[in-house]
Amino acid sequence: NAGVTQTPKFQVLKTGQSMTLQCAQDMNHEYMSWYRQDPGMGLRLIHYSVGAGITDQGEVPNGYNVSRSTTEDFPLRLLSAAPSQTSVYFCASSYRLGTEAFFGQGTRLTVV
Amino acid sequence: ILNVEQSPQSLHVQEGDSTNFTCSFPSSNFYALHWYRWETAKSPEALFVMTLNGDEKKKGRISATLNTKEGYSYLYIKGSQPEDSATYLCAFPGNQFYFGTGTSLTVIP
Repeated sequence: NAGVTQTPKFQVLKTGQSMTLQCAQDMNHEYMSWYRQDPGMGLRLIHYSVGAGITDQGEVPNGYNVSRSTTEDFPLRLLSAAPSQTSVYFCASSYRLGTEAFFGQGTRLTVV
Repeated sequence: ILNVEQSPQSLHVQEGDSTNFTCSFPSSNFYALHWYRWETAKSPEALFVMTLNGDEKKKGRISATLNTKEGYSYLYIKGSQPEDSATYLCAFPGNQFYFGTGTSLTVIP
């Protein structure tokens, strides 16, 4: 099984550019989520989804968009990148909320 | 937003020492408590998913206990080894996953 596949691993953007971070899982998990990791702040939830067609905001949603058109995919869109979005991003999935979470490899994003 | 707190924030121990750290979480509406191990430059990986008050789980030299009535869990590492160096996260699933900020453990050879 591939588990949770997150791409790209590294990305450099210019301020104002947009991009999509891809996340796919092949475990038929209902729950998927995006986090950002900043020094001293742990994992902060950006957006999450409890199933196809259902998304909701987490703690730090501003500047990010998500959709969940299929069970497998949960892309994260940066609409207009800002230096404050420089971070490491993790996608995670679990069978349902409350069960073990599986994480993607992470994306190190730098906005210049 | 629910408050999940971990202490201490960081810990340095000598190889062979035993150590423990704490996760505190809301005691109401308890469903589960997770522990994850997060090595530098890798992704978090689950250690334990705990659901029952009084539960104790063990994986090798690492064990965890759970008290849902008072809202805390302890993670213990017996005879720490350098490969145990990592950040240990706890997570509380409410309407979403709430992660603590982690305890960073460094084991000095």
